Amino acid sequence: SQQGEEDPQALSIQEGENATMNCSYKTSINNLQWYRQNSGRGLVHLILIRSNEREKHSGRLRVTLDTSKKSSSLLITASRAADTASYFCATAETGFQKLVFGTGTRLLVSP
Amino acid sequence: ETGVTQSPTHLIKTRGQQVTLRCSSQSGHNTVSWYQQALGQGPQFIFQYYREEENGRGNFPPRFSGLQFPNYSSELNVNALELDDSALYLCASSLADRGRNEQFFGPGTRLTVL
Repeated sequence: SQQGEEDPQALSIQEGENATMNCSYKTSINNLQWYRQNSGRGLVHLILIRSNEREKHSGRLRVTLDTSKKSSSLLITASRAADTASYFCATAETGFQKLVFGTGTRLLVSP
Repeated sequence: ETGVTQSPTHLIKTRGQQVTLRCSSQSGHNTVSWYQQALGQGPQFIFQYYREEENGRGNFPPRFSGLQFPNYSSELNVNALELDDSALYLCASSLADRGRNEQFFGPGTRLTVL
C-alpha cells in the first residue's frame, strides 16, 4: 500500500514559473526523499531530508519537512520544459531500508 | 546514469508462465531492493537483499522470489504469472547505512502478461 498522498495529482505550468507539490505520509520516519521519473522509466534521486531537518536546498529545488503534520513539500523554481516528469516522495522508517512511495505528481512544463 | 542496469528492457509473457528479471547494482553497493510499479501508481516495495540474504519483504505472495549473488547482482523471479503482474519492475541499489538510504534505480523492466 502507498504511504500517503501527493497533491496535486497533476500540475501544468509555463516555463519560468515555480512548481510546488506536496506529500503527506502516515508513520514516523527516519528521512523523506524526493524522486523524479521520466516517462515510466527509472527514478532519479533528487534530494533527501532527515527527520530532524526542516528545510533543504539543492540548486532550483527546495524541500520542507513538517514532522508534526507528517507532510513535505517540493518547490521547483524557474521551471524548465525539461522538468516535465512525475515526482514522487518516498519515506524511510527508522531501522528499515525500504522506501514507501506516494502516489506521485505529474508535472507538465510548457515552453 | 546511476550505474544500475536491468535486463531485459521489455518482456511479454502469458498467464501461468514464469519470468526472471536481472539487476546489476552500482559498484560498491551491497543492498538491492525490488519494486513493482503499476501504471499510474507509485512503486511498491517487493523485497530487499543485503549480502545475499532477504532483508525485508513487502506484501507480495511467495511466488515472488529473489536472489542476490556474491557480486551483489540480483534476480527477481515470478512464478505462475497473473495478468495483474503486468507492471514496471524496478531494482535499486544502495549502501546499507542507517540514517541515509538513497537508492539508485535502474531503468526498469516492463513486463506485460497476456
